[in-house]
Amino acid sequence: DIVMTQSPDSLAVSLGERATISCKSSQSLLYSSNHKNYLAWYQQKPGQPPKLLIYWASTRESGVPDRFSGSGSGTDFTLTISSLQAEDVALYYCQQYYSTPQTFGQGTKVELK
Amino acid sequence: QITLKESGPTLVNPTQTLTLTCSFSGFSLTTPAVGVAWIRQPPGKALEWLAIIYWDDDKRYSPSLKNRLAITKDTSKNQVVLTLTNVDPVDTATYYCAHRNRVHSAHDYWGQGTLVTVSS
Repeated sequence: DIVMTQSPDSLAVSLGERATISCKSSQSLLYSSNHKNYLAWYQQKPGQPPKLLIYWASTRESGVPDRFSGSGSGTDFTLTISSLQAEDVALYYCQQYYSTPQTFGQGTKVELK
Repeated sequence: QITLKESGPTLVNPTQTLTLTCSFSGFSLTTPAVGVAWIRQPPGKALEWLAIIYWDDDKRYSPSLKNRLAITKDTSKNQVVLTLTNVDPVDTATYYCAHRNRVHSAHDYWGQGTLVTVSS
């Protein structure tokens, strides 16, 4: 299984400040045939299902605010919230869908400072 | 508009078989590259991917649960069924079904989830 490791486990950020979450995979998620990284980011608020934010490591899902961005390739990935809003307080998960079983990181809790 | 909804028992006795149904609309499981996956989340813990079924009836399972899981589809009813045998209290979780996007393959639509408690 591909192991996904997120850091930090939690972070507190002031309104309007940048939040950065790291995700590392134990194997490369880059498909050579199409040069796509099979890495997604999800946001989960209490009592709600996860919401897809980013796929292919850096493509924003339709309707997701542009303050959310994804970057990285191979085994190292980052989710950045450029200017934290109150509604961004949530858990964030990375997921690899390069191979089955698909696996998730342990989650990063983003809170307000 | 794509929607998914999970249904099934809220309480199951240990050693019994859990059967969950995902009823969906807005897409067809006969469309190439489409899939429906099951993911679970124990209370206060991380997401765990369980299984996926594709439009062509290809099925993939989490190796750690493969001997206990089965996933099937009924395209005429727009349903996907997950069964988990010999349940244990550690199987207590919210179970989600999710749509696999046919272009980028990530899970773009999720059901609200159903909480299943395993206890005697």
